[in-house]
Amino acid sequence: DTGVSQDPRHKITKRGQNVTFRCDPISEHNRLYWYRQTLGQGPEFLTYFQNEAQLEKSRLLSDRFSAERPKGSFSTLEIQRTEQGDSAMYLCASSFLAGGRGEQYFGPGTRLTVT
Amino acid sequence: QKEVEQNSGPLSVPEGAIASLNCTYSDRVSQSFFWYRQYSGKSPELIMSIYSNGDKEDGRFTAQLNKASQYVSLLIRDSQPSDSATYLCAVGVSSGSARQLTFGSGTQLTVLP
Repeated sequence: DTGVSQDPRHKITKRGQNVTFRCDPISEHNRLYWYRQTLGQGPEFLTYFQNEAQLEKSRLLSDRFSAERPKGSFSTLEIQRTEQGDSAMYLCASSFLAGGRGEQYFGPGTRLTVT
Repeated sequence: QKEVEQNSGPLSVPEGAIASLNCTYSDRVSQSFFWYRQYSGKSPELIMSIYSNGDKEDGRFTAQLNKASQYVSLLIRDSQPSDSATYLCAVGVSSGSARQLTFGSGTQLTVLP
């Protein structure tokens, strides 16, 4: 049983550049989430997909952030014109909601450093 | 005010002791509660979920939920050095259909050999 995978695991970029991260959820999971975690804090919700539909976005998600999940499979998170404040661990999680319950399982994360 | 609060750490316990981790939440309509373990530099790993009042046991872990008091806890029995990690409390809030998780800041646990 393969878990959630994310690529790349580490990304170093210069301020102002665009970056794109990929997440492959657990195959039978229909829900996919993106979170961001900074040092000493718990993950913060960014956005959520059910199948291919993006159903919710946090107000934390500025216009520079965009996420897609074409065909309801893998998802991408793009950050345009990166800023130093974007440096964080970007986490993807997936779940299968049944009976009002759906544990979320996290991938290994992509650590972004903006210089 | 933060929606999910965890007892401030770090928490140190000797090997073999019981570690007690606490969490309170502010949203009364929360329905799902989770404990994640996070090793330094790694991603969160789900260790317990609880949905109903009372206790839920899984091996050395026991989660306790009291919705009236808006309180959830995690007990780790026979603590081992490998349990040393940050423990994150997460609460499932229903916003539309998202059921996104709101996390506390975590409690760092150290189990001393």
